[in-house]
Amino acid sequence: AQSVAQPEDQVNVAEGNPLTVKCTYSVSGNPYLFWYVQYPNRGLQFLLKYITGDNLVKGSYGFEDEFNKSQTSFHLKKPSALVSDSALYFCAVRDIFSSGTYKYIFGTGTRLKVLA
Amino acid sequence: DTGVSQDPRHKITKRGQNVTFRCDPISEHNRLYWYRQTLGQGPEFLTYFQNEAQLEKSRLLSDRFSAERPKGSFSTLEIQRTEQGDSAMYLCASSLGQAGYNTGELFFGEGSRLTVL
Repeated sequence: AQSVAQPEDQVNVAEGNPLTVKCTYSVSGNPYLFWYVQYPNRGLQFLLKYITGDNLVKGSYGFEDEFNKSQTSFHLKKPSALVSDSALYFCAVRDIFSSGTYKYIFGTGTRLKVLA
Repeated sequence: DTGVSQDPRHKITKRGQNVTFRCDPISEHNRLYWYRQTLGQGPEFLTYFQNEAQLEKSRLLSDRFSAERPKGSFSTLEIQRTEQGDSAMYLCASSLGQAGYNTGELFFGEGSRLTVL
């Protein structure tokens, strides 16, 4: 079965510094990987996805992701953090049901705190 | 496009009562998912609909849980005889899937937070 792991419960970074939120994956076949952000008492918002192609994926709000197949990693990055980026971040992998349709497996989340 | 909407946003109930949540997906989306999220955890899959057909159910979905999507549009999730362990955020998400094409990402609603006293 497909899975993702987020090794850090929390990441602190100073405003203006680059940020990285880590995610590793375990899949059979080609990975379909996603990042979502969640603000307090809100649903999840899609940030970006990796399906195939370039290893550097650009997404919403200045976020980008670096896919590394040899390290099975899919880290979320941003060159310059904003206080408003403080939120809960989830990576996810697309898995497949026995019926042939898709399901999405989420990590446990990483809380990002950007300090002014 | 109004996005995915869920109702109610918050529900407080006493143990043993029944509750129902509603989800209205993005109108052209044929795929609908229910997830449950507890504090400090990522969303856990509960059930999946393609149009009106419920194709998948998680083992997390006990007999007290039932979900419907009667006309392939809105969906309801009912919990009967609620227990304190049912307290969680219930998230609905939708996506557009077509034969040979799937953009992949899910669009989530704001969630329905259930508190069972």
